[in-house]
Amino acid sequence: EVELMESGGALVQPGGSLRLSCGASGFTMTSHAMSWVRLAPGKGLQWVSALRGNGQTTSYADSVKGRFTIYRDDSNNTLYLEMTSLKVEDTAVYYCARGPPLWTSVAYFDSWGQGTLVTVSA
Amino acid sequence: DIQMTQSPSTLSASVGDRVTITCRASQGISTWLAWYQQKPGKAPNILIYKSSSLESGVPSRFSGSGSGTEFTLTISSLQPDDSATYYCQHYSSSYPAFGQGTKVEIK
Repeated sequence: EVELMESGGALVQPGGSLRLSCGASGFTMTSHAMSWVRLAPGKGLQWVSALRGNGQTTSYADSVKGRFTIYRDDSNNTLYLEMTSLKVEDTAVYYCARGPPLWTSVAYFDSWGQGTLVTVSA
Repeated sequence: DIQMTQSPSTLSASVGDRVTITCRASQGISTWLAWYQQKPGKAPNILIYKSSSLESGVPSRFSGSGSGTEFTLTISSLQPDDSATYYCQHYSSSYPAFGQGTKVEIK
């Protein structure tokens, strides 16, 4: 069974940093593109960042480019999102999401974690 | 970047009604479109991919259609469990994007 489990969400001050983790079981991340998607209070879903199956090719939404870094540790099948220079508008539930099998580039998302809450506030 | 626009933003319908949600892309995306259902406090759940392909395990009352810039999600007979927010998402580039969502309420 495919499972994704996020952790690392917290209350952080503006300008601060945080690292989110997403542990996977039931599949190997090297065979899938993985993304982070967020849901801000009162807003809709927003794609944040993606890492292709090759583990090298990344993409970012303009709103986080230069501040967030996505990467993967294949030894423990875990995806990370390093967030720096956090802003109030980064407050959201952050989900990790898996792309479908045989698609190593960014596609739709066939499995999601339960989400982890990041609150940026003074 | 490609923008996705859904309509309506909210709709209220009765059990058994046929419901249609529209999603428009700012430029052509072929059939690279997915639909999700999200309930409060829960993760999104994939319903449809490649515009009209039903994800395994999703009830057959859900269907999708369209290509290019205009797409629809149809619920053929609305059920109480269908109360949720629905999102479209394009994946025609390395920068996928969601529509703003459509909240479906049961009268």
